[in-house]
Amino acid sequence: EDQVTQSPEALRLQEGESSSLNCSYTVSGLRGLFWYRQDPGKGPEFLFTLYSAGEEKEKERLKATLTKKESFLHITAPKPEDSATYLCAVENTGGFKTIFGAGTRLFVKA
Amino acid sequence: GAVVSQHPSWVICKSGTSVKIECRSLDFQATTMFWYRQFPKQSLMLMATSNEGSKATYEQGVEKDKFLINHASLTLSTLTVTSAHPEDSSFYICSASGGGDQPQHFGDGTRLSIL
Repeated sequence: EDQVTQSPEALRLQEGESSSLNCSYTVSGLRGLFWYRQDPGKGPEFLFTLYSAGEEKEKERLKATLTKKESFLHITAPKPEDSATYLCAVENTGGFKTIFGAGTRLFVKA
Repeated sequence: GAVVSQHPSWVICKSGTSVKIECRSLDFQATTMFWYRQFPKQSLMLMATSNEGSKATYEQGVEKDKFLINHASLTLSTLTVTSAHPEDSSFYICSASGGGDQPQHFGDGTRLSIL
């Protein structure tokens, strides 16, 4: 069964303290892995799509990487405005169904 | 680009009422739209997938007569919660994709509260 597990559930950082969020997945065939940011009371905002192991993408303080079993979202020198829930999702090659992880709630304190 | 508008953002109504939620892709054609339900501090649970002009495909456990989905055009999908009851109270979010390798783009959700 296709599955996505994110860790940690919550992460508290000081401003400027770099860290990484993990997304472990099992899928019959990976079509794409997605990272989204979700603010309270809002819908998820698309960040990145990764398609194959070894691929990396960057946007401002965020960098996403992908292996055959997991993806990391690295946050460099975070700011309080980076506080949000970060969701990871995978789409399989079979039914093109997207499965979301439970998310990591990130809190960045000034 | 890739803006999805969802309306209304908040609904409070009495038990037994039917509620319609609209999802529009404003600047692209959405070949596929998705409807999700999200409980507090939990992830998105896919309810159904709809393609323009076709019947929606519902996930296991989702009552199709309870949650009516219409995808009448490439820019509009609607979710109607029929005869809503308090247990239907939740955060409903739609998303739209232009197909191919395009990611899903999400609306800002609808907070539904049934009294």
